[in-house]
Amino acid sequence: AQSVTQLGSHVSVSEGALVLLRCNYSSSVPPYLFWYVQYPNQGLQLLLKYTSAATLVKGINGFEAEFKKSETSFHLTKPSAHMSDAAEYFCAVRASGANNLFFGTGTRLTVIP
Amino acid sequence: DTGVSQDPRHKITKRGQNVTFRCDPISEHNRLYWYRQTLGQGPEFLTYFQNEAQLEKSRLLSDRFSAERPKGSFSTLEIQRTEQGDSAMYLCASSLVGGVGDNEQFFGPGTRLTVL
Repeated sequence: AQSVTQLGSHVSVSEGALVLLRCNYSSSVPPYLFWYVQYPNQGLQLLLKYTSAATLVKGINGFEAEFKKSETSFHLTKPSAHMSDAAEYFCAVRASGANNLFFGTGTRLTVIP
Repeated sequence: DTGVSQDPRHKITKRGQNVTFRCDPISEHNRLYWYRQTLGQGPEFLTYFQNEAQLEKSRLLSDRFSAERPKGSFSTLEIQRTEQGDSAMYLCASSLVGGVGDNEQFFGPGTRLTVL
């Protein structure tokens, strides 16, 4: 079975502050892990993905995430928030050999000027 | 732009009517997925195709829902006798299996359905 838990449905940070969005996963087999971003009334855009190579994954727009097997976590970070980062962020898991993604419930990021 | 496209972007219908949505995947992609996203939730898997074959259906896909991909290119999702609970964003994604990219799914902009 696969599942994803995103802690915090809403996160607010000041512009220039660290962004930390939390994701914990459950998977019975080695997972592939993803972070997607969704802007209002748009589809999902892939930020980054973990596919069993390097545990620290760098993505677009300055985001990165670290796969920690011992903690079953894949938290998303960005050193300095920008106003354009305000959006909904989804963590997703796909088990190796599976075909579809399982998504978390999302975290809405607000950036305060 | 050669990304995934969906039509229409918005659909408002009355309860009991039938609706059909279209998805055009990235041209060389052999897999196509449908997801449903309700307000405040993440997308939930509905079904997927490998070329023209529908290989998996979620239990969320009730008998009122049918999806097709007749020529292995575009796909349609039809909902018959719509209910208010069908109101959601319907997302389409495509991927290439067997090539580079680790079966990465690319999403379209979605079709937002409102059932009155």
